[in-house]
Amino acid sequence: DAGITQSPRHKVTETGTPVTLRCHQTENHRYMYWYRQDPGHGLRLIHYSYGVKDTDKGEVSDGYSVSRSKTEDFLLTLESATSSQTSVYFCAISEELVFGANVLTFGAGSRLTVL
Amino acid sequence: SQQGEEDPQALSIQEGENATMNCSYKTSINNLQWYRQNSGRGLVHLILIRSNEREKHSGRLRVTLDTSKKSSSLLITASRAADTASYFCATDGGSNYKLTFGKGTLLTVNP
Repeated sequence: DAGITQSPRHKVTETGTPVTLRCHQTENHRYMYWYRQDPGHGLRLIHYSYGVKDTDKGEVSDGYSVSRSKTEDFLLTLESATSSQTSVYFCAISEELVFGANVLTFGAGSRLTVL
Repeated sequence: SQQGEEDPQALSIQEGENATMNCSYKTSINNLQWYRQNSGRGLVHLILIRSNEREKHSGRLRVTLDTSKKSSSLLITASRAADTASYFCATDGGSNYKLTFGKGTLLTVNP
């Protein structure tokens, strides 16, 4: 997980409270991603960023927002957490390779429990 | 929706045996990647195969790609207990920077 740090690593919160997860990279990579991993669903893309202030939605973006004000930081916010957002959240980074393929480097994950 | 689907969902073998996992996907791709996830950890990239390649090797890993069938396989030869992990295929669906992952195959290698 060198070069990419997620915080907090574990969080328990109550329904209706706001939650922000932080992803910090030291690699100066252009692309950053937030995925969630749930049993039976694998990894699903929530949001991604292709540059500072440039973000777009993934397949499960409802209930989530993101911000990227600096290259190194990508924040995922749950405005009002629900129990269905209990999950393990992974941040990933990538730098486009010369032949156009992006290989992702993942963080260690943030386990969020919403009671 | 999931672009890739791995098969089988779970596989249990003895050390020294070969392990084969399959991935099927739905739309055209530029490349297909395989990742490994050890329990409680993030995913780690293993190997990438481009759409114009049919086979690729890396150490004990062999990946094949059949774009006409929209399928790929990952072969791990001479498996070790340390290979115990979940394995995921990831496809780009024609978009170079957005990957979609399957649900994974849980491989257990018994000593």
